[in-house]
Amino acid sequence: DTGVSQDPRHKITKRGQNVTFRCDPISEHNRLYWYRQTLGQGPEFLTYFQNEAQLEKSRLLSDRFSAERPKGSFSTLEIQRTEQGDSAMYLCASSLTSGGASTDTQYFGPGTRLTVL
Amino acid sequence: AQTVTQSQPEMSVQEAETVTLSCTYDTSESDYYLFWYKQPPSRQMILVIRQEAYKQQNATENRFSVNFQKAAKSFSLKISDSQLGDAAMYFCAYPGNAGGTSYGKLTFGQGTILTVHP
Repeated sequence: DTGVSQDPRHKITKRGQNVTFRCDPISEHNRLYWYRQTLGQGPEFLTYFQNEAQLEKSRLLSDRFSAERPKGSFSTLEIQRTEQGDSAMYLCASSLTSGGASTDTQYFGPGTRLTVL
Repeated sequence: AQTVTQSQPEMSVQEAETVTLSCTYDTSESDYYLFWYKQPPSRQMILVIRQEAYKQQNATENRFSVNFQKAAKSFSLKISDSQLGDAAMYFCAYPGNAGGTSYGKLTFGQGTILTVHP
């Protein structure tokens, strides 16, 4: 078990550029979550997948944001036409849910820090 | 809508002493979990402790314990014998009703920065 990994750890881009982040969850985990965290604040939910299905998207996720989890393993989060307000830490978390009630404890990756100039 | 409130932006404690971090939440559900996460500076979020709402017994993990008051919707974290490595931002989090369709997405409090003085 190598934990949740994210790549890249840091990304600096110019306004208007597109960026893509990758998350590799813990191997047996079927749920994968994306959160956004600004400095000094708690993370805010963006979207989540159960296997390859995207089950919910936050209102925070504008149409410039898209996420995929094509084979139910790793996930990508793409931001098109970046804006300075997109600067934040993007966190990925994964959990194991086996239907019914579960602890659904989420394990977080180290995050990708995005800076939009 | 579920909300989570941490009313202490900052707390400090002397090494080896005990500190309690407060958290209140709002929900209409009866079956749920609650979590405390720790985020050290520039490091990733780590689970500290988890409480199941239907269990009356407060959860304990080594030096960390909770005081869970379901009727009052209060979920405080007590850190005993504080260590320098406990210095971090602590977040209380609520994932919604266990088994519900939206279950799992965490709502976090604003966080409490804990400083540990040697």
